[in-house]
Amino acid sequence: SYELTQPPSVSVSPGQTARITCSGDALPDQYTSWYQQNSGQAPVLVIFRDTERPSRIPARFSGSSSGTTATLTISGVQAEDEADYYCQSADSSGTYNVFGGGTKLTVL
Amino acid sequence: EVQLVESGGGLVQPGGSLRLSCAASEIRFSNYWMHWVRQAPGKGLVWVARINSDGTSTSHADSVKGRFTISRDNANNTLYLQMNSLRVEDTAVYYCELAGGPLDYWGQGTLVTVSS
Repeated sequence: SYELTQPPSVSVSPGQTARITCSGDALPDQYTSWYQQNSGQAPVLVIFRDTERPSRIPARFSGSSSGTTATLTISGVQAEDEADYYCQSADSSGTYNVFGGGTKLTVL
Repeated sequence: EVQLVESGGGLVQPGGSLRLSCAASEIRFSNYWMHWVRQAPGKGLVWVARINSDGTSTSHADSVKGRFTISRDNANNTLYLQMNSLRVEDTAVYYCELAGGPLDYWGQGTLVTVSS
């Protein structure tokens, strides 16, 4: 079955830039979304269609995609950004959705 | 305010069945694709199934195919997940998700525990 690969953890200091990657063979053909999840809460969409940001999400969140890798970038990281982040996409046929394993962002 | 409210979770023995419901309010439910996503305790998100806006097309993850069935009742703004032949590894919080580009809403989740 199709898989998306994320690093288990990323650590940054406040004010720095955090980059979380997501790798998958079908990413050139399918959009990627990114979700933020705080402990015990439902996920929140922060990026959709590779690069688009819902209006309620701060501008410091951005997304990009090149080849088989999608990247979530958080510029000027704040303490409140500490959370788990998941990429989500679909297989090449678009039939099956899949989430990456998740990345725990730690703000030092 | 848009709300998605799941119900139907609980404790069930291996091999048993449950039907989850997700009631939507304050949104034109029939316009949107819907998903079920689950999360085992301490683990990551796992996509389970999706259904298109009018219910004519569905897809299920390999891990639940043949055991779980997603469906919807647009007249009553409700999404369902029929879960049969439940296994211990199906234990998780089950979320419903309404997805439509920038619009993305999740329920609070309902816990399904499969144990003898």
